[in-house]
Amino acid sequence: QQQVKQSPQSLIVQKGGISIINCAYENTAFDYFPWYQQFPGKGPALLIAIRPDVSEKKEGRFTISFNKSAKQFSLHIMDSQPGDSATYFCAANTNTNAGKSTFGDGTTLTVKP
Amino acid sequence: DAGVIQSPRHEVTEMGQEVTLRCKPISGHNSLFWYRQTMMRGLELLIYFNNNVPIDDSGMPEDRFSAKMPNASFSTLKIQPSEPRDSAVYFCASTVSWGNYGYTFGSGTRLTVV
Repeated sequence: QQQVKQSPQSLIVQKGGISIINCAYENTAFDYFPWYQQFPGKGPALLIAIRPDVSEKKEGRFTISFNKSAKQFSLHIMDSQPGDSATYFCAANTNTNAGKSTFGDGTTLTVKP
Repeated sequence: DAGVIQSPRHEVTEMGQEVTLRCKPISGHNSLFWYRQTMMRGLELLIYFNNNVPIDDSGMPEDRFSAKMPNASFSTLKIQPSEPRDSAVYFCASTVSWGNYGYTFGSGTRLTVV
């Protein structure tokens, strides 16, 4: 059962534009929502994360928006740059299961110069 | 901290051979995860350990796959015998199990079985 659904599968954005990736979850016990960025040939790296007691978290050009009632969260990349071209994974954790994350299927972002 | 260390970075082996992948988690992290990544199937969780104990191995595809964590600083994933369909990038990740924190992934082992 896919517990975290991520969309779109791929995304092409012009340099300077806003990239938006969406995730939806089913398990209301999830209480931590990280995003990972993966460049070709590298392992995923933690980019930004949010806990459900806040509706938004911003770090530089990256913002997570969180809607608890809709069970949805999204990643916004402002002023997208070619260097942001990567695969992005959303994930969700409960405070159990030994820290295990449930991952979305990933979004491949291409930022065109 | 050197991060999560995986070895080897690349492995090419012939079908039927035994392959052993290695992982050193971050010191102080008590949960360790093995993932496999392919274009077709994406990121798949194979097995994870907490305090060196296997918690869930339901993602291990077949009995040919086995994993061990003999101590807090070392884990292995073994494939015996290997098959071409095992070709993938294998990632190890670690985290702390208390509270909620993200994973630190290793750089991966690219396995090619010919």
